[in-house]
Amino acid sequence: GNSVTQMEGPVTLSEEAFLTINCTYTATGYPSLFWYVQYPGEGLQLLLKATKADDKGSNKGFEATYRKETTSFHLEKGSVQVSDSAVYFCALGGLSAGGSYIPTFGRGTSLIVHP
Amino acid sequence: DTGVSQDPRHKITKRGQNVTFRCDPISEHNRLYWYRQTLGQGPEFLTYFQNEAQLEKSRLLSDRFSAERPKGSFSTLEIQRTEQGDSAMYLCASSTGTGGVATQYFGPGTRLTVL
Repeated sequence: GNSVTQMEGPVTLSEEAFLTINCTYTATGYPSLFWYVQYPGEGLQLLLKATKADDKGSNKGFEATYRKETTSFHLEKGSVQVSDSAVYFCALGGLSAGGSYIPTFGRGTSLIVHP
Repeated sequence: DTGVSQDPRHKITKRGQNVTFRCDPISEHNRLYWYRQTLGQGPEFLTYFQNEAQLEKSRLLSDRFSAERPKGSFSTLEIQRTEQGDSAMYLCASSTGTGGVATQYFGPGTRLTVL
């Protein structure tokens, strides 16, 4: 079945540090890949997405590239800010055993950025 | 676009009682998903509607759980004979599309506590 594996958190960084959150997946076919973010006290919201191999999704300084050969979609940001502190979820949208397109989420990685 | 809303935001109930949650999706969205999220985990898929048709249910979903989406608008999720293990955040999300997995728009969730 479909699955997503994310690096365990929390990830603790100082402001302006470089961020990488690893995400790998297992899926049948060619899923779409997503990163969602959940800020404290808020609901999940889309951060970026990629729909096919070698696509790069980007938003708010974050980037992730769909790597089919390594089945990965790692999230990166060159210089994090305190306001980036949140939980980040990697997700794939692929065909389920029942034949519907169902999202599968990773367990989330908490990011804490210190001033 | 007022976003996805859920009601109630919090529910405390005693073991054995029935509870019902409501989700109002973004009005033009034809797809609606229910998820359960526990602490430190990502959203876990429960069930999926396209318009009024319930197209898929998780194999992990107990018979005590039922969901409806009459007229393809709002949806309700009912849990009968609640158990302490049902304590979780219940999330609703909606999206557009007819193929693949589109961006999910999440509601704020309903936090259920079963005493």
